[in-house]
Amino acid sequence: SQQGEEDPQALSIQEGENATMNCSYKTSINNLQWYRQNSGRGLVHLILIRSNEREKHSGRLRVTLDTSKKSSSLLITASRAADTASYFCATRGSSNTGKLIFGQGTTLQVKP
Amino acid sequence: EAQVTQNPRYLITVTGKKLTVTCSQNMNHEYMSWYRQDPGLGLRQIYYSMNVEVTDKGDVPEGYKVSRKEKRNFPLILESPSPNQTSLYFCASSLGSAGGGVTEAFFGQGTRLTVV
Repeated sequence: SQQGEEDPQALSIQEGENATMNCSYKTSINNLQWYRQNSGRGLVHLILIRSNEREKHSGRLRVTLDTSKKSSSLLITASRAADTASYFCATRGSSNTGKLIFGQGTTLQVKP
Repeated sequence: EAQVTQNPRYLITVTGKKLTVTCSQNMNHEYMSWYRQDPGLGLRQIYYSMNVEVTDKGDVPEGYKVSRKEKRNFPLILESPSPNQTSLYFCASSLGSAGGGVTEAFFGQGTRLTVV
């Protein structure tokens, strides 16, 4: 069953602007991860934030996690045309199956 | 280079003709899984394996089989493919941990399967 829900479904911005994507989930989690997928290609891991963390940075990426609201956001600063892709949040449940549950994704278009 | 390799990348087949999609990882990961990606439905887990000879059903296992005889390989078998199995398939692997909190997943490049 799908647990992550992403918002917006699609986002179009100009190069240099910031892009913010949001993810909500339903059950308790071990960690939350963000992935990028270029059209028709495999997913690439971007960043992982554990349930006891509130914010994490990696280069131009900033992820926040609010476990009380069961939500996370991904901020891409100073976007580039190469950031055009679909972005997915995925939650890792607290069970031992190690299963990743993906949201529907946000399609980001960065116009040069 | 750390990678997950799937083959083939593209496959067109006919209904009922058995096929196997191979998946191999070179990272010594314990955890491997198969997903299918369909428009409007996102990524759904088909099967997963927590280690050699340990496999279990995901969310959409009907019509699929898997095996895990070696740590690095996790083939996906469609015994009698049907048109509703037309999809984009991904294999993924993760490093498992004692607490069950497996870490980031590494994905293969995908296999686009069309069943006519």
